[in-house]
Amino acid sequence: DAKTTQPPSMDCAEGRAANLPCNHSTISGNEYVYWYRQIHSQGPQYIIHGLKNNETNEMASLIITEDRKSSTLILPHATLRDTAVYYCIALSGGYNKLIFGAGTRLAVHP
Amino acid sequence: DTGVSQDPRHKITKRGQNVTFRCDPISEHNRLYWYRQTLGQGPEFLTYFQNEAQLEKSRLLSDRFSAERPKGSFSTLEIQRTEQGDSAMYLCASGDSALTYEQYFGPGTRLTVT
Repeated sequence: DAKTTQPPSMDCAEGRAANLPCNHSTISGNEYVYWYRQIHSQGPQYIIHGLKNNETNEMASLIITEDRKSSTLILPHATLRDTAVYYCIALSGGYNKLIFGAGTRLAVHP
Repeated sequence: DTGVSQDPRHKITKRGQNVTFRCDPISEHNRLYWYRQTLGQGPEFLTYFQNEAQLEKSRLLSDRFSAERPKGSFSTLEIQRTEQGDSAMYLCASGDSALTYEQYFGPGTRLTVT
């Protein structure tokens, strides 16, 4: 499974869009990009995933570059409750054991 | 509540004691995972069950650790002869093989070994 690189921390003002980058330059053609987040003292929560097309759901949007070497998770209107550690994970199918890195600690402030 | 539940939520034990944790996955989920998370780190994969079969064990799962899922429903994780290095959050997740990308995590069991 490809290694991912994320900034250790980011800040965002409440109500603004939070754009969280992820590099996965060694990703292979059959590997998906998954995003999970972990709010303090809770288990991780699935956000979104994609292969090569951009994806959107009720929580976020995922933009994957054409060469698939990087992606951006977008929280369109961040709230204080979005303060969490966000993990970008690249892995292929199968039973999908998740390999977490250190993630990005997003702080949303008033 | 139809989510993943774990019991207990917190456990304090003395070094050398045995502990057992329980995970109840979302009903009808055939996949069950155990992870361990230490402070400031992301979760680390420990083991995976599909139904009652344990299909993968991480090297992190030493011979003091054993996990079971006897009827393909709930699972238990036992640690024998606990050590201070076992102090961590133990997370359980479940998934449906028809939805390979999504795992639902429980709240975790925080273990403190004194």
